[in-house]
Amino acid sequence: QLQLQESGPGLVKPSETLSLTCTVSGGSISSGSYYWAWIRQPPGKGLEWIGSISYTGYTYYNPSLKSRVTIFVDTSKSQFSLRLGSVTAADTAVYFCARHLSLRYLDYWGQGTLVTVSS
Amino acid sequence: EIVLTQSPATLSLSPGERATLSCRASQSVSSYLAWYQHKPGQAPRLLIYDASNRATGIPARFSGSGSGTDFTLTISSLEPEDFAVYYCQQRNNWYTFGQGTKLEIK
Repeated sequence: QLQLQESGPGLVKPSETLSLTCTVSGGSISSGSYYWAWIRQPPGKGLEWIGSISYTGYTYYNPSLKSRVTIFVDTSKSQFSLRLGSVTAADTAVYFCARHLSLRYLDYWGQGTLVTVSS
Repeated sequence: EIVLTQSPATLSLSPGERATLSCRASQSVSSYLAWYQHKPGQAPRLLIYDASNRATGIPARFSGSGSGTDFTLTISSLEPEDFAVYYCQQRNNWYTFGQGTKLEIK
């Protein structure tokens, strides 16, 4: 059974960079059919797709976040990571990683990790 | 950006009853719509993709229908484990989600 687990700091200061890593286990991260995605959910709000990456490093980003987002992959560690720069309180959210099947649907998700932006 | 509006925001039903959840898109998404189930503290679960196809391992009591701008998720007979928040998601123009419908026990 494929499993994804998010990890990273739970508290980030305003204007700094949020960094999270997703570790994939129980399956290969290096498959041409799969992309790997980050999604977030601010408190009391809906889900927002942040971006997706192939195992070769090809990326797609949400246009509204593109200027601040970088997603990269490390196939040797079966991990992919998110960096979100210049964070504000509006970036406080539960961040999920997921497998993005053929850039269509998100068929496996992690449980999510809460990141709070506060001084 | 395509906005997905889900209704109702909260649905109160009893086990054994039929649940009907709605998702309306601000413009046509063809059949490129999915439904997810999310329970607190757990990973969201893909239920339905391309409007009407059940994902692997999803019970037959879950069904999806619709195309264009109006979609429905139906749970034919609610089981205790079905009480959760349900989200729709479109992939016709990037990826956006609805705000969710909370299905709670009456």
